[in-house]
Amino acid sequence: NAGVTQTPKFRVLKTGQSMTLLCAQDMNHEYMYWYRQDPGMGLRLIHYSVGEGTTAKGEVPDGYNVSRLKKQNFLLGLESAAPSQTSVYFCASSPLLYEQYFGPGTRLTVT
Amino acid sequence: RKEVEQDPGPFNVPEGATVAFNCTYSNSASQSFFWYRQDCRKEPKLLMSVYSSGNEDGRFTAQLNRASQYISLLIRDSKLSDSATYLCVVGSTDSWGKLQFGAGTQVVVTP
Repeated sequence: NAGVTQTPKFRVLKTGQSMTLLCAQDMNHEYMYWYRQDPGMGLRLIHYSVGEGTTAKGEVPDGYNVSRLKKQNFLLGLESAAPSQTSVYFCASSPLLYEQYFGPGTRLTVT
Repeated sequence: RKEVEQDPGPFNVPEGATVAFNCTYSNSASQSFFWYRQDCRKEPKLLMSVYSSGNEDGRFTAQLNRASQYISLLIRDSKLSDSATYLCVVGSTDSWGKLQFGAGTQVVVTP
């Protein structure tokens, strides 16, 4: 099993550009999450999904959109990137309410 | 006030020594507690769950104090490979399926 994978691993965007981060899991987990991690701060939840076709806002959803069209994939979109969105983005999936498995992360820089 | 607070450290520990650190949480509805480990520029990985009665996993011991709303992690006989950031993670019944992450405590084990 590959577990949780994320694409791409690194990306540099200019302000105003858009992009989509892809998260895929092969563990048949119901729950999937997108977090961002910034220096000195804990992981902050952006959006999450409790099943195929469902999404919900987390703690810091502004500027991001998500979709979960297939159970194994959870996409995070940035419509118009801003320097404040420079961060490391982690995707996670979970078979239960709380135990989470993380992907390797995407390092995004917005200039 | 952050929901989960940790001393950022670093805790510099000689190899073979014992190190312990705490994490406090503010939500009295918290029900699930975990320690995750995060190596530099890597994804967080579950180290251990924390049970009400306290639990041990090899050289690692976790304790929960509900009255004072903190959890602790103790590492005995520290190894160089224990150098990492340890994330305190809390789940509560009033934030279904979502976890609150502390910013982490850095441990550096020195030869």
